[in-house]
Amino acid sequence: EDQVTQSPEALRLQEGESSSLNCSYTVSGLRGLFWYRQDPGKGPEFLFTLYSAGEEKEKERLKATLTKKESFLHITAPKPEDSATYLCAVRSTGGYQKVTFGTGTKLQVIP
Amino acid sequence: SQTIHQWPATLVQPVGSPLSLECTVEGTSNPNLYWYRQAAGRGLQLLFYSVGIGQISSEVPQNLSASRPQDRQFILSSKKLLLSDSGFYLCAWNSNTELFFGSGTQLSVL
Repeated sequence: EDQVTQSPEALRLQEGESSSLNCSYTVSGLRGLFWYRQDPGKGPEFLFTLYSAGEEKEKERLKATLTKKESFLHITAPKPEDSATYLCAVRSTGGYQKVTFGTGTKLQVIP
Repeated sequence: SQTIHQWPATLVQPVGSPLSLECTVEGTSNPNLYWYRQAAGRGLQLLFYSVGIGQISSEVPQNLSASRPQDRQFILSSKKLLLSDSGFYLCAWNSNTELFFGSGTQLSVL
């Protein structure tokens, strides 16, 4: 069974204080690892897809990296508007392309 | 471009009442569609997925059912709601590269 574990559950940063969120996964056959941002009361917003170990993707202050067992979402010099819950998910090679989500990291950036 | 519509945004229902949540997708044909539920402090739990009209698969046994009467329409239903059905319900469409989500329905069963 595919599993995704995210840590920490919650993270509080001062504005400008860089940090990383962790996503550990086990999957029978990886067809993609996703990062999403979710604001309260809204659907998840897609950020990145990573496909193979060593791959990296960047978007503004966010950078996602992937190894064979985990992924990191690095946040450089965060701003208060980066406050949200960040979700990690994996798509396996199941017949209907099953996507399994972690429970998320709730990030709060304080001015 | 593809868009996914989900309604209503919020819903308060008494225990034992029926439920119908609707999701429609625009800008694509024959999409793979999903219903997820997100409970407080928990991850997104896959409830149902559909690869075509009339084709529904359930991930977990529960008080809910799903139907796909048209190619781009996916409906989540219940005949009698339970307190445990409360949560945030999300419809999603699966492209080859990512999962697109609707805006969600916050369901409170009282």
